[in-house]
Amino acid sequence: QSALTQPASVSGSPGQSITISCSGTSSDVGGYNSVSWYQQYPAKAPKLMIYDVSNRPSGVSNRFSGSKSVNTASLTISGLQAEDEADYYCSSYTSGSTPYVFGTGTKVTVL
Amino acid sequence: EVQLLESGGGLVQPGGSLRLSCAASGFTFSIYAMHWVRQAPGKGLEWVSGMSANSGGNTYYADSVRGRFTISRDNIKNTLYLQMNSLRVEDTAVYYCAKKFGLVGTTTQRAFDIWGQGTMVTVSS
Repeated sequence: QSALTQPASVSGSPGQSITISCSGTSSDVGGYNSVSWYQQYPAKAPKLMIYDVSNRPSGVSNRFSGSKSVNTASLTISGLQAEDEADYYCSSYTSGSTPYVFGTGTKVTVL
Repeated sequence: EVQLLESGGGLVQPGGSLRLSCAASGFTFSIYAMHWVRQAPGKGLEWVSGMSANSGGNTYYADSVRGRFTISRDNIKNTLYLQMNSLRVEDTAVYYCAKKFGLVGTTTQRAFDIWGQGTMVTVSS
């Protein structure tokens, strides 16, 4: 099962919006509404930010939103803040040899 | 407080074995699938293994560890395990246990909402 493809880095200025893409196939992203997104600070455990493509767990800021089109999912961070600087990973349920696959990860830099 | 606490990591030689444990608290452990996810130094997340809610239930493995790693759980002790045999240098990573968000039997909330702090496994001679 190949990792989902994400851009290595995305940057933006405070207050701006950025979008991170997550490209998969019809066996994972395109086949299920089971895409999730995680935020990870250095040396910390990942934190769930989005589940089921576009749902936010309790406590996650509404500046984070998710969507999906065919085989590509996206995470948008609006009103970018310094605290959003972190690594972000997408994940999807799959019909492949393993039930879950993660993306390659994207480093978000706030300029 | 909902919490997962991993233990059992350490330094092991190639070909050796380790057993990781993940102690759960603050939620009903027996009704949630549980998973192991690892992260090699400076690399991304990699799903490793998962197990359905009931002890003796379905188990799943990444191709990279199938046949070498065994996941298990004790729903009385609220603990998840990962027995790692025939370890390789490329197994070096922080190993996280993670709780599936959705309840057993659901096809939604296929995500990991609670993570442990991780335990480091180093395979080196």
